[in-house]
Amino acid sequence: GDSVTQMEGPVTLSEEAFLTINCTYTATGYPSLFWYVQYPGEGLQLLLKATKADDKGSNKGFEATYRKETTSFHLEKGSVQVSDSAVYFCALSLSGGYQKVTFGTGTKLQVIP
Amino acid sequence: SQTIHQWPATLVQPVGSPLSLECTVEGTSNPNLYWYRQAAGRGLQLLFYSVGIGQISSEVPQNLSASRPQDRQFILSSKKLLLSDSGFYLCAWDQGGETQYFGPGTRLLVL
Repeated sequence: GDSVTQMEGPVTLSEEAFLTINCTYTATGYPSLFWYVQYPGEGLQLLLKATKADDKGSNKGFEATYRKETTSFHLEKGSVQVSDSAVYFCALSLSGGYQKVTFGTGTKLQVIP
Repeated sequence: SQTIHQWPATLVQPVGSPLSLECTVEGTSNPNLYWYRQAAGRGLQLLFYSVGIGQISSEVPQNLSASRPQDRQFILSSKKLLLSDSGFYLCAWDQGGETQYFGPGTRLLVL
């Protein structure tokens, strides 16, 4: 079946450090790929997405590139801030009447001043 | 613009008591609606989805049920809560596109 694998957390970084959160997927078709962010006590917010191979999604300084050859969608940010502390979920979606979204287990990021 | 509401925000219930969580969406019509559960320290598990009024599909067997009495209203229920029902419940919607949009969630603690 479809699945998403994320790196285990928590990830602790100093402010202004470079961030990479790895995400790989397996899917039977051609999925769309997403990163969602969940701030403490809140629901999930869409951070960025990519719908086809080699697309790059970007938002708020974060970016991720859809790599079909390596089935990956790694999240990166050049300089993290304390306000980026949150849980990040990688997800894939395959349409079929309704959107079946498969989520990774989430990676908690803590940025310290 | 579209908005999604969930209530209550937090709920503490004894084992064996009933449950009703409500989700409503504004600013769209005939959305697909979803209920997810997020257990502590874990990812999201899809519980139910609905593509229309009265149409409910269950992804996993469990102690919970869902109903969609109106186009933009989705309700999660239980007749008797279990300890294992504790978690963070998220409602989401989409319009048949690729992106799901999530509500603020309900934190349920069963004691």
